[in-house]
Amino acid sequence: DIQMTQSPSSLSASVGDRVSITCRASQSIRSYLNWYQQKPGKAPKLLIYDASSLQSGVPSRFSGSGSGTDFTLTISSLQPEDFATYYCQQSYSALRGFGQGTRLEIK
Amino acid sequence: QVQLQESGPGLVRPSGTLSLTCAVSGGSISSNNWWSWVRQPPGKGLEWIGEINHSGITNYNPTLKSRLTMSLDKSKNQFSLKLSSVTAADTAVYYCARDISILATMGSLSDAFDVWGQGKMVSVSS
Repeated sequence: DIQMTQSPSSLSASVGDRVSITCRASQSIRSYLNWYQQKPGKAPKLLIYDASSLQSGVPSRFSGSGSGTDFTLTISSLQPEDFATYYCQQSYSALRGFGQGTRLEIK
Repeated sequence: QVQLQESGPGLVRPSGTLSLTCAVSGGSISSNNWWSWVRQPPGKGLEWIGEINHSGITNYNPTLKSRLTMSLDKSKNQFSLKLSSVTAADTAVYYCARDISILATMGSLSDAFDVWGQGKMVSVSS
């Protein structure tokens, strides 16, 4: 199985900050990496697919990069509605898997 | 606009079978997608359970495979999950989701969960 590891597990930041979250796969997954945002009591929402493609309707302050085993989600200027938990997910293997999540909190 | 809605009992007895259904509206379950289940124990992260495609082919999480059955009902446009021999560790919010192939940069196809149900809380308790 492919293991997905996110860092950090939690992060405190302020409105307007630029933040980055990293995700590492246990083997190369090429660019088959997706990012989701989840708010309390809600289903996850797809933000980025194929490592760097922005899902329709997602603000351009969200961006993704990376390939192989190392990936990054960047939020260029944090907005109040961005405080949530973020998950990476690999779609390289038919046996899908998620990272453990990164909780983004208000400083 | 495809929408998904989970339904089923919110309480299951230990050693019993958890059964959930996901109704698909705004689209056909026979389309060329995979239909997935993901769960989230209280206060914890997301765990992929498994998925089924329009032909009934399944992929299961190896840690759950021995207890898991997924099926399609094309006449009702829905798909289902059965998890047997449940314990308290199976207590979670269960989500259904569509796993779709999206045209990405460079003309390749990439898969992602683009539509999710609202989630169904299932507790395992006597």
